[in-house]
Parts: sequence; C-alpha cells; structure tokens
Amino acid sequence: GAGVSQSPSNKVTEKGKDVELRCDPISGHTALYWYRQSLGQGLEFLIYFQGNSAPDKSGLPSDRFSAERTGGSVSTLTIQRTQQEDSAVYLCASSFRGREEKLFFGSGTQLSVL
Amino acid sequence: SQQGEEDPQALSIQEGENATMNCSYKTSINNLQWYRQNSGRGLVHLILIRSNEREKHSGRLRVTLDTSKKSSSLLITASRAADTASYFCATINQGAQKLVFGQGTRLTINP
Repeated sequence: GAGVSQSPSNKVTEKGKDVELRCDPISGHTALYWYRQSLGQGLEFLIYFQGNSAPDKSGLPSDRFSAERTGGSVSTLTIQRTQQEDSAVYLCASSFRGREEKLFFGSGTQLSVL
Repeated sequence: SQQGEEDPQALSIQEGENATMNCSYKTSINNLQWYRQNSGRGLVHLILIRSNEREKHSGRLRVTLDTSKKSSSLLITASRAADTASYFCATINQGAQKLVFGQGTRLTINP
C-alpha cells in the first residue's frame, strides 16, 4: 500500500475484554515496530520485528500483551484482559532493512478502556 | 526504556523566529533521527544524521550531532505556524536494533 495502515482508528472497550489491533506495513518493508503513547507523553517501545528473526519483545509491559507478524507482513497486537492503564494511542511503524532507515508511521489506534 | 531526552519540554516562539531543540542520549549510537508529530498521531521523519556526521541540512532544518557530548540539536529557521507540533529525537544504540524515542519537545509558533 501507499502507507502504513492501522485499524481500527479508535477502539473503546470494557475493562477485562481482549482487543486486537492490526497493522499493515508498507509493502517490502522488513522491519515493523509497535509503540505506545500515553496522552502528552513520548513513545514507549513495545516490540520489534525484523524479517525472519526472533522479535525483540523487551518492551512489552506484561504477559497480557502479545504480537504476531504473519508472512512477514501484517502484524496484530493483542491485549488480553484490558486494564484502564492500557488506554493510549498504539502506533505501528515500518522501515526498509531496519536499523539504519527511517520509520514510516501509521495514524495509530486510540484505545480507550472503560 | 527511554534513550533520548529532549530539552526544552515545551517551547513557544513568534512566527519568523528560529526554534532550537536539544536532545541528549546516554549510550553510543549508530544514528540519530528527528521526527515531527501533529495532533498526537503518526510521526513523520524529518532528518537522519549518522554518528560520523556533525551537521546536516534539509530545507529550513539544521541538525547537529556532538558524539563527545552525546547530544544533538534541531534548528528550525524562519518558523511558521505550520511548524507547531511535537518534535522527537530517536536513536539506535550500537549493537542494538530497536529505535528508541525521547519524550519530545512541544513547539508552538504564535502568529
């Protein structure tokens, strides 16, 4: 596609429910990142995929968070048993070759946990 | 974990003036990047400077890098109202792969 696409753009859920956030990176980009941004704050690294290598999961805040990247393309971030502190904008970004290249960001998913 | 720290956290200037934002980091890096964010959503890449470069220009943007002080600055000359946004620096540590962002500087350009 022309850019990084994230869906849904907004998600409202009840505490305790599971949510899935989707990211379609730019075609051909081998690196894919997930970040979380709370209101007025910086970007918190969550997880990084690079090609067929094992993902860097060091930023996932708890075992309620998991992410997959199928076929080296689409990625899904899953949050189980959501808590109110999970409310934030979840941003996905992709890059070509990783490490040295600039990131292209999606518009994010605003998650609100009531 | 956060690597870069931007300074100041917020900056408000008059249109036409120059805006300078600073970024400090803690460990050796491969490169440093600056991004802009409007309206709290997706970020846009502005400029990348490699660890062996000291200065880089792109239009009204000028970035410097001082690896001995582990710091970088972003200068926006002749600011415009459209430059109002949050600006973030991001680094990749040597030996690592993930890009880590700072807390950002909120820039407001007053007409």
